Amino acid sequence: DTEVTQTPKHLVMGMTNKKSLKCEQHMGHRAMYWYKQKAKKPPELMFVYSYEKLSINESVPSRFSPECPNSSLLNLHLHALQPEDSALYLCASKATGSADTQYFGPGTRLTVL
Amino acid sequence: QKEVEQNSGPLSVPEGAIASLNCTYSDRVSQSFFWYRQYSGKSPELIMSIYSNGDKEDGRFTAQLNKASQYVSLLIRDSQPSDSATYLCAVKKGGSTLGRLYFGRGTQLTVWP
Repeated sequence: DTEVTQTPKHLVMGMTNKKSLKCEQHMGHRAMYWYKQKAKKPPELMFVYSYEKLSINESVPSRFSPECPNSSLLNLHLHALQPEDSALYLCASKATGSADTQYFGPGTRLTVL
Repeated sequence: QKEVEQNSGPLSVPEGAIASLNCTYSDRVSQSFFWYRQYSGKSPELIMSIYSNGDKEDGRFTAQLNKASQYVSLLIRDSQPSDSATYLCAVKKGGSTLGRLYFGRGTQLTVWP
């Protein structure tokens, strides 16, 4: 089973709201990723967690706050977002070591009003 | 120079034809190469991975890698309308223990009946 789940599927929020995106995998993968994807663009890396520690932060604004509470869960906390943050947010995971394949979740479609 | 470049298309082929998608990459020591298919509004789905020079076949799909030319391609034989999607080429650079992927901009493929 190569399933990564994400909730919610869709989210509409105002610029003053606080919300969270959730990602879960039960494949024993110890590397997890957040990507942002705008229409007709490739996924853009935001954060990488390895063994529950933040390893890469691609200079993402602080209004995005990632959290990895355990080896199966990855959250992305959102606060004071801007309309230009509206996008598809994708979570991915992969096994550590020599395995390279990243498996993507279905994504959360975020709209900021 | 971009890390990964794809012929952005769009590419349009008739049903039953061979669709050829191409990708070049800049880092000579890149190790791993992936093709993802992405339907509109959905998340990327892994189609093929390839690590060694030559061809790798999986059903109607064949990935071809030429490290000397820094070139990777995807052939889709007997194209079907259900193959209509954007195809993303992704490359993992050498030395990247976190498996960070670099994506091309994608090639939009339309297969018409």
